[in-house]
Amino acid sequence: GEDVEQSLFLSVREGDSSVINCTYTDSSSTYLYWYKQEPGAGLQLLTYIFSNMDMKQDQRLTVLLNKKDKHLSLRIADTQTGDSAIYFCAARGGYQKVTFGIGTKLQVIP
Amino acid sequence: DGGITQSPKYLFRKEGQNVTLSCEQNLNHDAMYWYRQDPGQGLRLIYYSQIVNDFQKGDIAEGYSVSREKKESFPLTVTSAQKNPTAFYLCASSIKASGQGSQPQHFGDGTRLSIL
Repeated sequence: GEDVEQSLFLSVREGDSSVINCTYTDSSSTYLYWYKQEPGAGLQLLTYIFSNMDMKQDQRLTVLLNKKDKHLSLRIADTQTGDSAIYFCAARGGYQKVTFGIGTKLQVIP
Repeated sequence: DGGITQSPKYLFRKEGQNVTLSCEQNLNHDAMYWYRQDPGQGLRLIYYSQIVNDFQKGDIAEGYSVSREKKESFPLTVTSAQKNPTAFYLCASSIKASGQGSQPQHFGDGTRLSIL
């Protein structure tokens, strides 16, 4: 089955850019998603990218996809304290199954 | 507003007791999912349903059961056979489980189950 890997923790200063990285193993993955989870809540869809794209920008969020290396990143510009949360990468692979990463906890230091 | 409602938010279970977690959606989605979230383990798929009256086991179905009698409802029962049920349970839905388009999953706010 597919593996989706992320680092566990990232700490940035308020106002800096955050970059959260993710790798996946299934080269046939069609869509890749980023979700945000705040404490005690469900997952909120932030953005997604189709595998034939290499970049997608949505306000402060930029997604970069390197399909050759199976590497996905989420850049948050001008990171705010409200961005502190766990960020999940997910890949939709074979048989349309969606596999989630373990989540990266983003800590924003004021 | 359309969305997914999970209830209750907190649930306590005694040893040997079955409990049922509710999940209702008014998004008119065909597919629904149940995930279990444990610290440091991400999300693991318990069961999913692509259409009414049909459901399939996910990666960790043992000790759980589901039903899908209505499109908008997908309750999860945690049975006494589940030896380590303490976790955060998340329900999700998508337009379809397969086919074209991005079809992202939309999540409820979760139910935290604890053992007394």
